[in-house]
Amino acid sequence: SQQGEEDPQALSIQEGENATMNCSYKTSINNLQWYRQNSGRGLVHLILIRSNEREKHSGRLRVTLDTSKKSSSLLITASRAADTASYFCATGVSYNTDKLIFGTGTRLQVFP
Amino acid sequence: GAVVSQHPSRVICKSGTSVKIECRSLDFQATTMFWYRQFPKKSLMLMATSNEGSKATYEQGVEKDKFLINHASLTLSTLTVTSAHPEDSSFYICSASFPGGLYGYTFGSGTRLTVV
Repeated sequence: SQQGEEDPQALSIQEGENATMNCSYKTSINNLQWYRQNSGRGLVHLILIRSNEREKHSGRLRVTLDTSKKSSSLLITASRAADTASYFCATGVSYNTDKLIFGTGTRLQVFP
Repeated sequence: GAVVSQHPSRVICKSGTSVKIECRSLDFQATTMFWYRQFPKKSLMLMATSNEGSKATYEQGVEKDKFLINHASLTLSTLTVTSAHPEDSSFYICSASFPGGLYGYTFGSGTRLTVV
């Protein structure tokens, strides 16, 4: 089962621009995580934000979480061609903190 | 850091045969591992939760007799696709949580299964 939706489904930008991806989810959560996947590869963990946190930064990544709206956003600043990948949000649901449910994903293309 | 090794990375098999995919945690013990399935350009669908020393917990709609999961040790979980058919062709990915669970989950590199 999928927890929620991400938008946009696809995003194309030029290098140097910022990329913003949004994630909405349906149930209460323990934490929300963002992952990156290069085509045909496994997933790489980017950042985890707990349900009692509102914003988190890691390098060029900025994640926000609004539990009242059940939504999160991932901002990649000063994008690079190497950021081209699919990005997924995943929620750790409250009733089973070990289980991750993934959103639908955003395919990001950064043109040099 | 936590590393999860998954193999094979690619496998092609004939209809009716069974395929085993292995998922190993290399530098930590994982009492719980997860198996996902991903269709092209789609998201990951959780198939089952693999628990060391006990039966796996399957998600609704996943055939437990079709997708056999064994988690015999703290570092190894296996997924066997039994009597594979072309519709089982997919990308299968495993993951494990590093103890403490504060740093996200570590994923294997995935297995591309093609059933011909």
